[in-house]
Amino acid sequence: GIQVEQSPPDLILQEGANSTLRCNFSDSVNNLQWFHQNPWGQLINLFYIPSGTKQNGRLSATTVATERYSLLYISSSQTTDSGVYFCAVSRWETSGSRLTFGEGTQLTVNP
Amino acid sequence: DTGVSQDPRHKITKRGQNVTFRCDPISEHNRLYWYRQTLGQGPEFLTYFQNEAQLEKSRLLSDRFSAERPKGSFSTLEIQRTEQGDSAMYLCASSPGTIGQPQHFGDGTRLSIL
Repeated sequence: GIQVEQSPPDLILQEGANSTLRCNFSDSVNNLQWFHQNPWGQLINLFYIPSGTKQNGRLSATTVATERYSLLYISSSQTTDSGVYFCAVSRWETSGSRLTFGEGTQLTVNP
Repeated sequence: DTGVSQDPRHKITKRGQNVTFRCDPISEHNRLYWYRQTLGQGPEFLTYFQNEAQLEKSRLLSDRFSAERPKGSFSTLEIQRTEQGDSAMYLCASSPGTIGQPQHFGDGTRLSIL
């Protein structure tokens, strides 16, 4: 199956700092999603981005499908950005497009 | 679009008891997925439905687990004779089932086995 690696595993920032989270995957995919899991366990959809670049407020994401990686950028971080960020991928042809998740990046933003 | 709804949010039970969780997908989404997430890990696929048909089950889904989606709308996940290792967050997701569409997740059911 597809392997997904996220880095760094842990990240501690001061409020206002910028950060970049990385997701590498081992095979071609046609779905890639970024999620934020808050302290209550809710998985919040951030981006559906199998290729290209998208922006949503202080967050943006870029996926380079040919090189099998995706980046999530967080600018001007806030304490509410704390939580775990997951990258998940799937192939349409495989198992109903079930998602394979990375192990996440634990982000802590300190005031 | 009211989102994916899961019930209950939390379940605490004694080892050996049976538990059942419910998931209501986004209306008109014909694909429904169940995932399990243990502490410190990313969610792992358990099973999925295309309408009422259960098309794949992960090896993680032991014989004590059963899932149904009787009318192609809501789904239930039952765990019989619960064990300590079943303690986890159980997440449900749905999608339209066409290429190029993301999965949308519910808030999950957190199961704790005493």
